[in-house]
Amino acid sequence: GENVEQHPSTLSVQEGDSAVIKCTYSDSASNYFPWYKQELGKRPQLIIDIRSNVGEKKDQRIAVTLNKTAKHFSLHITETQPEDSAVYFCAASYSSASKIIFGSGTRLSIRP
Amino acid sequence: EAGVVQSPRYKIIEKKQPVAFWCNPISGHNTLYWYRQNLGQGPELLIRYENEEAVDDSQLPKDRFSAERLKGVDSTLKIQPAELGDSAVYLCASSSSPQETQYFGPGTRLLVL
Repeated sequence: GENVEQHPSTLSVQEGDSAVIKCTYSDSASNYFPWYKQELGKRPQLIIDIRSNVGEKKDQRIAVTLNKTAKHFSLHITETQPEDSAVYFCAASYSSASKIIFGSGTRLSIRP
Repeated sequence: EAGVVQSPRYKIIEKKQPVAFWCNPISGHNTLYWYRQNLGQGPELLIRYENEEAVDDSQLPKDRFSAERLKGVDSTLKIQPAELGDSAVYLCASSSSPQETQYFGPGTRLLVL
């Protein structure tokens, strides 16, 4: 069935360095890929998304890249700050069923 | 603009008891989702509504879970009877249409003892 795999499950980076989180998806019909940030005890919040007609999208320190051929997409956070510490979830939307499948999450910790 | 509202925020019950969760989506959002999120995992879709119609409930354990969205606005999710394994955070989300941004509510944290 449809599946989204996310790596790594935990990531610790020095403040100011970059962080990269990678996801792969199984259904080639997927065409919408959002990323959510969830702080401890809070709701998931959309931070950036990309559609399959675009290869890269940037929003200040956050960027997402999509490789449709390889069926993987990545989140890049540059110049990391303490407030970037959270769990990040990728997701893929399967257009045939209008269903969204989430990855298992990456716990990002920013070391001061 | 008010976000997605959920209540209660926390619920502790004994196993075999019933429990209900309520969700009020963002005004004008026709699509409503119920998710279950276990500790350390991503949200798992339980059911999706388009207006008042449940269009995807394949992941809803129908022997004990039920949901409704009367009048296509508010929704309730019910568990009867609850089991220990139902302990999780139940998230409601809404969007203007499928494949548009989903906005999540704060969730209901359920603990079944």
